[in-house]
Amino acid sequence: DVKVTQSSRYLVKRTGEKVFLECVQDMDHENMFWYRQDPGLGLRLIYFSYDVKMKEKGDIPEGYSVSREKKERFSLILESASTNQTSMYLCASSPDRTNTEAFFGQGTRLTVV
Amino acid sequence: AQSVAQPEDQVNVAEGNPLTVKCTYSVSGNPYLFWYVQYPNRGLQFLLKYITGDNLVKGSYGFEAEFNKSQTSFHLKKPSALVSDSALYFCAVRGPLTGGGNKLTFGTGTQLKVEL
Repeated sequence: DVKVTQSSRYLVKRTGEKVFLECVQDMDHENMFWYRQDPGLGLRLIYFSYDVKMKEKGDIPEGYSVSREKKERFSLILESASTNQTSMYLCASSPDRTNTEAFFGQGTRLTVV
Repeated sequence: AQSVAQPEDQVNVAEGNPLTVKCTYSVSGNPYLFWYVQYPNRGLQFLLKYITGDNLVKGSYGFEAEFNKSQTSFHLKKPSALVSDSALYFCAVRGPLTGGGNKLTFGTGTQLKVEL
């Protein structure tokens, strides 16, 4: 089975801290995605990557950056965490084919205090 | 830009009755459409997809979805709902492959509540 693993289920950070959310997939997928999920807003795409060191902004990239140094790992970085970044963060991966579904990790619930 | 609309925040249905969760989409080119389900404090699980061919697509747990090109819709259906189907359902659309990869865009989700 495809496995997408996010490093933490729950995380509490202070305002202004630099935060790293890590995601690893074990199926050699080209595409990886970071979403945030908020009630009533669904899943909003922050960034996605279609190859090592390649990235594209999603719909809400402000306040975030990403890193993909290896194919299996995609990191989301909050340079200076703020309370409005308190959310559920979901990582996903998929092969580089339009007709294939994406596979999701369990999510990281981040609280910024 | 591609987009997905799920017009209902919540759908309530009695167990044993048929259910429908609505989804409409907008995308350039051929649509690739997906339904996912999310149980509390969990990630998303894939249910079914439409790529091409038959407009009625069958998926996991007895769910199916009907693709309608003229109405740009992809509604999720089940003939007989179960209490265990209660969850949050997301519709998603994938854009065409380009040199820069292809986005996967989700709707806002519909909470399905099945009652005895």
